[in-house]
Amino acid sequence: DADVTQTPRNRITKTGKRIMLECSQTKGHDRMYWYRQDPGLGLRLIYYSFDVKDINKGEISDGYSVSRQAQAKFSLSLESAIPNQTALYFCATSDLRSRAAVRNEQFFGPGTRLTVL
Amino acid sequence: AQSVSQHNHHVILSEAASLELGCNYSYGGTVNLFWYVQYPGQHLQLLLKYFSGDPLVKGIKGFEAEFIKSKFSFNLRKPSVQWSDTAEYFCAVRKGSQGNLIFGKGTKLSVKP
Repeated sequence: DADVTQTPRNRITKTGKRIMLECSQTKGHDRMYWYRQDPGLGLRLIYYSFDVKDINKGEISDGYSVSRQAQAKFSLSLESAIPNQTALYFCATSDLRSRAAVRNEQFFGPGTRLTVL
Repeated sequence: AQSVSQHNHHVILSEAASLELGCNYSYGGTVNLFWYVQYPGQHLQLLLKYFSGDPLVKGIKGFEAEFIKSKFSFNLRKPSVQWSDTAEYFCAVRKGSQGNLIFGKGTKLSVKP
């Protein structure tokens, strides 16, 4: 969905480096999420935010941190990257204030493919 | 803990064959149910969703799913698949209307032309 953008789209880095993945949305949604996708494991929730002052850990938050700089921006950081953080990372948004037909539906960005060597 | 099971890791079909992908979840209360599709190299897109009402839900591209509460299931179906349906399909469940989505591990569908 073009309304949710992620940068970079691809990144190769080395073990121990600090990496930031960024997500921006123009949908005006209040909720934002970070997932990682690994082959055979589906999507797993890393962190989520219900508004600018609300940050919550997901299923697999260890080794990650996030920042909700504004309603439209939600960044994911790997303070010291390790090879098992190699994965496809997706940002998503949703909005409880939307009309019932689309409320709770999550809209996904294009993904960031991260490789840690 | 709530979990979502997708029974098939990889399904291979010929064009025009019928499709049914299984999804079962473990939570016993009110749930919202979703099927997402991920075409090769693309992000996840919503195929269909169930919140309440008619348990037979119709989605985009000829897909449908049936919520069977007694079986904790939300299987995805399509009567006649096309080569363009080749993708990975994810079932997801939300507990009530406020919880986070829990995704299944996905089922890869390969359709032979």
